[in-house]
Amino acid sequence: DAGVIQSPRHEVTEMGQEVTLRCKPISGHDYLFWYRQTMMRGLELLIYFNNNVPIDDSGMPEDRFSAKMPNASFSTLKIQPSEPRDSAVYFCASSSSGGGQPQHFGDGTRLSIL
Amino acid sequence: GQQLNQSPQSMFIQEGEDVSMNCTSSSIFNTWLWYKQDPGEGPVLLIALYKAGELTSNGRLTAQFGITRKDSFLNISASIPSDVGIYFCAGQRGSNYKLTFGKGTLLTVNP
Repeated sequence: DAGVIQSPRHEVTEMGQEVTLRCKPISGHDYLFWYRQTMMRGLELLIYFNNNVPIDDSGMPEDRFSAKMPNASFSTLKIQPSEPRDSAVYFCASSSSGGGQPQHFGDGTRLSIL
Repeated sequence: GQQLNQSPQSMFIQEGEDVSMNCTSSSIFNTWLWYKQDPGEGPVLLIALYKAGELTSNGRLTAQFGITRKDSFLNISASIPSDVGIYFCAGQRGSNYKLTFGKGTLLTVNP
């Protein structure tokens, strides 16, 4: 079975540029999560969706970050304008509904803002 | 965001040794999860625990959900080189689907 697919795997760009990260969840999963991983702060939840609707975006650092889920098989996380402190690995995860269903992670996008 | 207290931060062991790591929290969780992350990859689920006191095994891995619901441990028996990686605990509360992660335990196994 195909797992969570993220693209690109690596992104290097200059500060001020717009960055778009993409995620395809596991087919049939109705929850989608975006995380950021850094050495200092570990894994942090940014936002999650249920049935394509954003449920909790309290982890989104600031207005420069936005996320959308136009359909059940695609989500984007956008940073505009990007800053060097946004450099991190961004993970997408998905899960099915039902109590305690575990989240399955993609391989992440390593983002470097110069 | 809130973090779980995971220890130790790192471990250096010889192949064949047993390993133990744990997570504690000041808050109650209804689900505990243990993930492993290899370099350049995302976390992969190892074991999920859903009931206080539950002891679950997955091959050489054994994990327990603490009776108080505020802690969990993971044991790896007879370690092998491919056990190298970062191990994360994660807790989940009630019907809230948010996970709170520990900062990870970096395991190095010397052949």
